[in-house]
Amino acid sequence: EAGVAQSPRYKIIEKRQSVAFWCNPISGHATLYWYQQILGQGPKLLIQFQNNGVVDDSQLPKDRFSAERLKGVDSTLKIQPAKLEDSAVYLCASRAGQSTDTQYFGPGTRLTVL
Amino acid sequence: QKEVEQNSGPLSVPEGAIASLNCTYSDRGSQSFFWYRQYSGKSPELIMFIYSNGDKEDGRFTAQLNKASQYVSLLIRDSQPSDSATYLCAVNTGRRALTFGSGTRLQVQP
Repeated sequence: EAGVAQSPRYKIIEKRQSVAFWCNPISGHATLYWYQQILGQGPKLLIQFQNNGVVDDSQLPKDRFSAERLKGVDSTLKIQPAKLEDSAVYLCASRAGQSTDTQYFGPGTRLTVL
Repeated sequence: QKEVEQNSGPLSVPEGAIASLNCTYSDRGSQSFFWYRQYSGKSPELIMFIYSNGDKEDGRFTAQLNKASQYVSLLIRDSQPSDSATYLCAVNTGRRALTFGSGTRLQVQP
């Protein structure tokens, strides 16, 4: 079974530029999460999708971050414009369904904002 | 008070010893608890989950849960240098999203 795929793996941009990250969850997994992990901290939830609907985006900085999962499979997370404090690893995770709480993480995208 | 608290470490143990990692959480309604291992530069990898009070064993790993004390622990027996990593405690806080602690860095000395 293929795992969660993410791209790019690394991205360096200057502040005020835009950036987008892509995630493809494990096949058949209905729930998809985006987490932000700042160095030295645990992952922090940004947004949770169930199929193509948003379940929780309470911690997403909506003035600059946006995310979508149009067909209930792949998802894109965008930052526009980026700030220095957005430097972090952006992790995508997926979960199979209502019968399990277990989440599986992708390799992450390491973003550096200069 | 943080929702999930862990000692940042580093916790240093000799090879072959038992490593004990601890975690406390604030939400009494939490129902499921997870331990993830994260090597430097890598993404979190699930080690174990536990739902019920008591112990759950899987190979060299034992997770312990005490809901009355809001306490979760992970024991690693016969610690190996390859166990050196950051261990993240995570709690299901509803809607099945996880709240993570900041992690405990474990160093196993050969």
